[in-house]
Amino acid sequence: DAKTTQPTSMDCAEGRAANLPCNHSTISGNEYVYWYRQIHSQGPQYIIHGLKNNETNEMASLIITEDRKSSTLILPHATLRDTAVYYCIPLSISGNTPLVFGKGTRLSVIA
Amino acid sequence: ETGVTQSPTHLIKTRGQQVTLRCSSQSGHNTVSWYQQALGQGPQFIFQYYREEENGRGNFPPRFSGLQFPNYSSELNVNALELDDSALYLCASSHLHGYEQYFGPGTRLTVT
Repeated sequence: DAKTTQPTSMDCAEGRAANLPCNHSTISGNEYVYWYRQIHSQGPQYIIHGLKNNETNEMASLIITEDRKSSTLILPHATLRDTAVYYCIPLSISGNTPLVFGKGTRLSVIA
Repeated sequence: ETGVTQSPTHLIKTRGQQVTLRCSSQSGHNTVSWYQQALGQGPQFIFQYYREEENGRGNFPPRFSGLQFPNYSSELNVNALELDDSALYLCASSHLHGYEQYFGPGTRLTVT
């Protein structure tokens, strides 16, 4: 499994964009990059995933570098409810492998 | 569409006892995965069930076992509880080759 490196913690002012980086330099060509988040005392929540193109949905944008060795999750207008631990997870395109969670990045959105 | 539910929310057990945790999967999902999350750590994969059969297992001893029922709901059983089994237990449902897993709120188990 590809290893990931994420900052332990980050702060972001409410209303500003939150940019969460992830290094996944050993990712293989048949692995997506997935992002989940876990709000305190809740189960993890799927955010977005991508293979090599940038992706956007109603929650976030995902920017993947051309060499696929790193990615950035962007929350365009962070709110207090976005305070959570964010996990970057490489996952086989077969879609039938378990999620391997690291320690993630604890994002604190500050009023 | 009903989300993933888990019961109980919390429970306290004594070392050596056995426990059963329950999970109802999201409507239409045929696969259930269980994860253990120790305090301050990310969730760790225990096992996955698909059509009532175990379909993959993480690095957990045999005293962790499971069941999946025809309606795709699932149970996690842990025998001979140890203090280190204290954790949040999460279940997640999905389609077998689906890309998103939908997690329940978890069961907080405390072993004393």
